[in-house]
Amino acid sequence: IAGITQAPTSQILAAGRRMTLRCTQDMRHNAMYWYRQDLGLGLRLIHYSNTAGTTGKGEVPDGYSVSRANTDDFPLTLASAVPSQTSVYFCASRATTATGELFFGEGSRLTVL
Amino acid sequence: GQSLEQPSEVTAVEGAIVQINCTYQTSGFYGLSWYQQHDGGAPTFLSYNALDGLEETGRFSSFLSRSDSYGYLLLQELQMKDSASYFCAVRDRNTGFQKLVFGTGTRLLVSP
Repeated sequence: IAGITQAPTSQILAAGRRMTLRCTQDMRHNAMYWYRQDLGLGLRLIHYSNTAGTTGKGEVPDGYSVSRANTDDFPLTLASAVPSQTSVYFCASRATTATGELFFGEGSRLTVL
Repeated sequence: GQSLEQPSEVTAVEGAIVQINCTYQTSGFYGLSWYQQHDGGAPTFLSYNALDGLEETGRFSSFLSRSDSYGYLLLQELQMKDSASYFCAVRDRNTGFQKLVFGTGTRLLVSP
């Protein structure tokens, strides 16, 4: 069982370039999330999707876009990367249980120069 | 909106007991979760409290007091492998409780 798969695991990117981080889950969870993690700031929500075809903004959505064409895939796009977007990005999906447990991917480390 | 406060770092020795506190402010409370993250790894779910009281899972327990907007994670019989960051999180009422908002995390250092 793969769970959540993210790609790439690591990427160095020139400022101004477009970048898409991929996220795929095989658990058939409806809700999916993108977080960024920076030292001292914890996990901050970028965008989320409650179900295929819907998306919503999190705490720090500026400079990012998402799409949810189907249940399994939830890509995150940086249209024109800036150095402040250097971070570790985590994709997650939420179980439909009382606890609402989140399952995280292994993360994508992005460096924008 | 919502905000969560946790201590930034806690240190303890093997075999000891440590408590990590979390206070929260939220417009609508749905439940308090705890996640563990080892350096370089992904966060993993530890526990969830929707009602007041203590939930026990092995060496880990989590407590919630809704009237005090407060919870804690209790780790007993500490082991070196417990060295990690621990995050509390609440769901956001404004989005029908779909968003999970995290605290900034508490780094636990366990020494021999």
